[in-house]
Amino acid sequence: DAGVTQSPTHLIKTRGQQVTLRCSPKSGHDTVSWYQQALGQGPQFIFQYYEEEERQRGNFPDRFSGHQFPNYSSELNVNALLLGDSALYLCASSFLAGNYEQYFGPGTRLTVT
Amino acid sequence: GENVEQHPSTLSVQEGDSAVIKCTYSDSASNYFPWYKQELGKRPQLIIDIRSNVGEKKDQRIAVTLNKTAKHFSLHITETQPEDSAVYFCAASNPGNTPLVFGKGTRLSVIA
Repeated sequence: DAGVTQSPTHLIKTRGQQVTLRCSPKSGHDTVSWYQQALGQGPQFIFQYYEEEERQRGNFPDRFSGHQFPNYSSELNVNALLLGDSALYLCASSFLAGNYEQYFGPGTRLTVT
Repeated sequence: GENVEQHPSTLSVQEGDSAVIKCTYSDSASNYFPWYKQELGKRPQLIIDIRSNVGEKKDQRIAVTLNKTAKHFSLHITETQPEDSAVYFCAASNPGNTPLVFGKGTRLSVIA
């Protein structure tokens, strides 16, 4: 039973560029949430996808967008990268009608120079 | 919205001693309170959770208590071991599988 997977592991981008991060949820899960974790901080919620729709959104600008595919995998896109976007991006999967447990992937470390 | 405060930010204990980490939350509607352990460079791992209809939950050396009236919950680790050293995060969420709101974390060091 595969857990949550993310790709790529690390990424270095330049200010102004665009990036796409990918997540495959744990088998049996239908909901994907994305979090940004700055160094030394707790994860902050970006948005959540269920049934290919953005279900909830945190306090992040429109430069952050996402998508969920019919197989429940998801992408996070960030446009016009800023230095402050450098962080660990975590994907968490869960089963919407389940017991609330969210399981995290290993994350993608994004560095913006 | 929900706000979660976590204390202390760092904690050092001798191997074999107990460690306690405390969190408070602001939204009385929150009903799910997980704890995650994050080792350096790794993903947060769910170690224990509690729901608002329960006051205490134990799993071997780890326990969590919840006081709904005071809106605080705590993680207790007994007989600490060096491998317990990590950053621990508490979180809270509302009903309906809503997003988690995290505390800022506690860096636990267990000294052998």
